[in-house]
Amino acid sequence: NAGVMQNPRHLVRRRGQEARLRCSPMKGHSHVYWYRQLPEEGLKFMVYLQKENIIDESGMPKERFSAEFPKEGPSILRIQQVVRGDSAAYFCASSPRWGGEGTEAFFGQGTRLTVV
Amino acid sequence: RKEVEQDPGPFNVPEGATVAFNCTYSNSASQSFFWYRQDCRKEPKLLMSVYSSGNEDGRFTAQLNRASQYISLLIRDSKLSDSATYLCVVSGGSYIPTFGRGTSLIVHP
Repeated sequence: NAGVMQNPRHLVRRRGQEARLRCSPMKGHSHVYWYRQLPEEGLKFMVYLQKENIIDESGMPKERFSAEFPKEGPSILRIQQVVRGDSAAYFCASSPRWGGEGTEAFFGQGTRLTVV
Repeated sequence: RKEVEQDPGPFNVPEGATVAFNCTYSNSASQSFFWYRQDCRKEPKLLMSVYSSGNEDGRFTAQLNRASQYISLLIRDSKLSDSATYLCVVSGGSYIPTFGRGTSLIVHP
């Protein structure tokens, strides 16, 4: 049973370009969470999705950022017109659900985005 | 007040020592509690869940105090390989997991 798969592992973009980050959850997991981690800082929640639905996007910047989790295929975090401040590690986590015993979330290896 | 607070450390301890971390949370409606471990530039990995009755896994013991709104992690007989950042995670009714900033542990020979 493969774990949470994120790609690419490293992504370099010039200012103004678009970045697309992909996350395939663990088999059987329908809940996906995206987090951003700046150097020397903690994990900041961005968005929580279930298949075809955004459940909570309260942590995501209103502009330039969007996320989706289509019926088929991976979850996508899209950043348009990237700026240097977007440089960070972006982690995806999945769970069968979150909350209660036995429903822990598991993380992918992350995508390290560098904007030059 | 931050939702989840941890002492950032670092905690610098010799091999074989016992070390304890605390984490406080602000939302009294929180339902699920976890400890994760994160090594430098790696993804967080689940260390253990924290149940109401407390739980133990080898050298690691986690406890929950709902009245005082904190959870703890105790590591006995520390190993060099325990050096990492330990993340406290709390989620409430909305099931949005919230991470503390982490506590850094350095175990030295």
